[in-house]
Amino acid sequence: EIVLTQSPGTLSLSPGERVTLSCRASQSVSSSYLAWYKQKSGQAPRLLIYGASSRATGIPDRFSGSGSGTDFTLTISRLEPEDFAVYYCQQYGSSPITFGQGTRLEIK
Amino acid sequence: QVQLVESGGGVVQPGRSLRLSCAASGFTFSSYAMHWVRQAPGRGLEWVALISYAGTNEEYADSVKGRFTISRDNSKKTLYLQMNSLRPEDTAVYYCVRDVFHGSFDPWGQGTLVTVSS
Repeated sequence: EIVLTQSPGTLSLSPGERVTLSCRASQSVSSSYLAWYKQKSGQAPRLLIYGASSRATGIPDRFSGSGSGTDFTLTISRLEPEDFAVYYCQQYGSSPITFGQGTRLEIK
Repeated sequence: QVQLVESGGGVVQPGRSLRLSCAASGFTFSSYAMHWVRQAPGRGLEWVALISYAGTNEEYADSVKGRFTISRDNSKKTLYLQMNSLRPEDTAVYYCVRDVFHGSFDPWGQGTLVTVSS
């Protein structure tokens, strides 16, 4: 099974700042089948990025994904108040599908 | 709009069974693979099971293999999860999700809480 390790665990930032979240895989993720989700407290997760770098429908362009192989990143160019949440990466190139443990973005 | 609505959660004793349902609307249900994903209280996300669009192929996480069964009724646009021999560690919010782009999940239902406790 592919283990995904997200870093850092928690980030304290201010609105307007730029942030980069990391997701590292224990083995290469085939075909860049790597997705990112955002989960606000008490809500279901929402798909942000699929295929490592493609934005899902309705996702603002301040969100961008990059990476391949074992190293992937999610960048938010300018934090808005609604961006403070938990972010998960997911690989779906190998069975079983696995998720990272999450990175919490909190307001400084 | 595309919508998934789960139901069937509740409190159940260890060793008992429960069946979850997920009603789909707003898209051609029979054209998509579907999954169940769960989230224990205060924890991260765990993939549980997958069923192909026609219902001919299923896959399970090791943690539920042999105890849970995923199924679907395309005529009713409904996904199911039959959960047997429930354990306290199965306590979680269970989400129904649609498979898009070869395995990413969109959208997610609102979730249904299953609590396994005596």
